[in-house]
Amino acid sequence: QLQLQESGPGLVKPSETLSLTCTVSGGSISSSSFHWGWIRQPPGKGLEWVGSIYHSGATYYNPSLRSRVTISVDTAKNQLSLQLSSVTAADVSMYYCARAKIAYYGSGSGNWFDPWGQGILVTVSS
Amino acid sequence: EIVLTQSPGTLSLSPGERATLSCRASQIVSSSYLAWYQQKPGQAPRLLFYGSSIRATGIPDRFSGSGSGTDFTLTISRLEPEDFAVYHCQQYGSSPYTFGQGTKLEIK
Repeated sequence: QLQLQESGPGLVKPSETLSLTCTVSGGSISSSSFHWGWIRQPPGKGLEWVGSIYHSGATYYNPSLRSRVTISVDTAKNQLSLQLSSVTAADVSMYYCARAKIAYYGSGSGNWFDPWGQGILVTVSS
Repeated sequence: EIVLTQSPGTLSLSPGERATLSCRASQIVSSSYLAWYQQKPGQAPRLLFYGSSIRATGIPDRFSGSGSGTDFTLTISRLEPEDFAVYHCQQYGSSPYTFGQGTKLEIK
């Protein structure tokens, strides 16, 4: 059974880079059937898709975050990572990693997510 | 960007009752690319449905998903105590993929 666990600093200073890791167990992160995503949830608010990375290495980011986000995979460690630069108070959120399932259509593709990790709360403060 | 509006914000019902949750999109969601998730306090979201009505593995059949175009519905036929949670809809028919603000289903 696939399981995901986020880890990383729970506190980041303003203007610095948030770096999170998601460790995958129960399967190989490099399997051709696996694709991955990050989703975040500000306290008391709805969920926001951050970005996805496909097995091919292709990455897709939310345009609202694209200039600051990098998602990558470390196959040797079976880990997914998220980097978000120049953080502000608006980036305070619970961050979740998840397996992305893909629907292909004419103009591109879409993702839904299953399963999800337990999440990690990241606060931005000096 | 497609905006998803979920209603009601909070739904108060008793175990055994029927729950109907709505998710309305600001634009047509192509090919019914809509998912539903359940989230309990302190837990990660759990996939219930994708493709509007395709039940995820292990989801009881008292849960059903329906809808197309801009109007989607999650129905729980007879509420069990473990069904009280927050429910989120998500569209993946166009990027960026977006979520509704959630409906909290609470015990009356």
